[in-house]
Amino acid sequence: GESVGLHLPTLSVQEGDNSIINCAYSNSASDYFIWYKQESGKGPQFIIDIRSNMDKRQGQRVTVLLNKTVKHLSLQIAATQPGDSAVYFCAENRDSGAGSYQLTFGKGTKLSVIP
Amino acid sequence: KAGVTQTPRYLIKTRGQQVTLSCSPISGHRSVSWYQQTPGQGLQFLFEYFSETQRNKGNFPGRFSGRQFSNSRSEMNVSTLELGDSALYLCASSLASASNSPLHFGNGTRLTVT
Repeated sequence: GESVGLHLPTLSVQEGDNSIINCAYSNSASDYFIWYKQESGKGPQFIIDIRSNMDKRQGQRVTVLLNKTVKHLSLQIAATQPGDSAVYFCAENRDSGAGSYQLTFGKGTKLSVIP
Repeated sequence: KAGVTQTPRYLIKTRGQQVTLSCSPISGHRSVSWYQQTPGQGLQFLFEYFSETQRNKGNFPGRFSGRQFSNSRSEMNVSTLELGDSALYLCASSLASASNSPLHFGNGTRLTVT
């Protein structure tokens, strides 16, 4: 069935290194993708988004790459810091018709930063 | 600008009871969506409201319902609670129900059913 999934459930990274979190999606009709960060006890926090007409977008210390050929999305975090420790979710935004949309989330990757 | 506000933060109910959760979206946001988050199923879409109308609904039983008021505030209701309804319920708002408008989430209501 259609789903958004993650390759790795956990990721440990040394402080200062770069982190790469991967995501696979199966619905080629999805046209908008978002990465969220969720810290313990909080709701998901928007990090960065990308439209399907782009293959790369950069933010502050973060870069999202979209490969539509293999339906793959990745989030790169530069110079990972302890405050980056959290669960990261990718989500695809699919138009459900009549102008409404439904955000479908992956299962999440837990990023642990080793000091 | 204040973020999405959800009340209460925590709730404990017993099986068979009903519960109402409240959400105040970011000022100016007209779309409100609700999600259920559990360790086993992750984040699952419940429904979306826009201008007081339900625009989309996920695969949840009819015990789960919601509504949106003219000021965009939203409530969701779960009737005849079951143990499996224990979860974090998240509300999110966006400017418009469009495919390029990110959702902004509140910190959720933690519901425990005993």
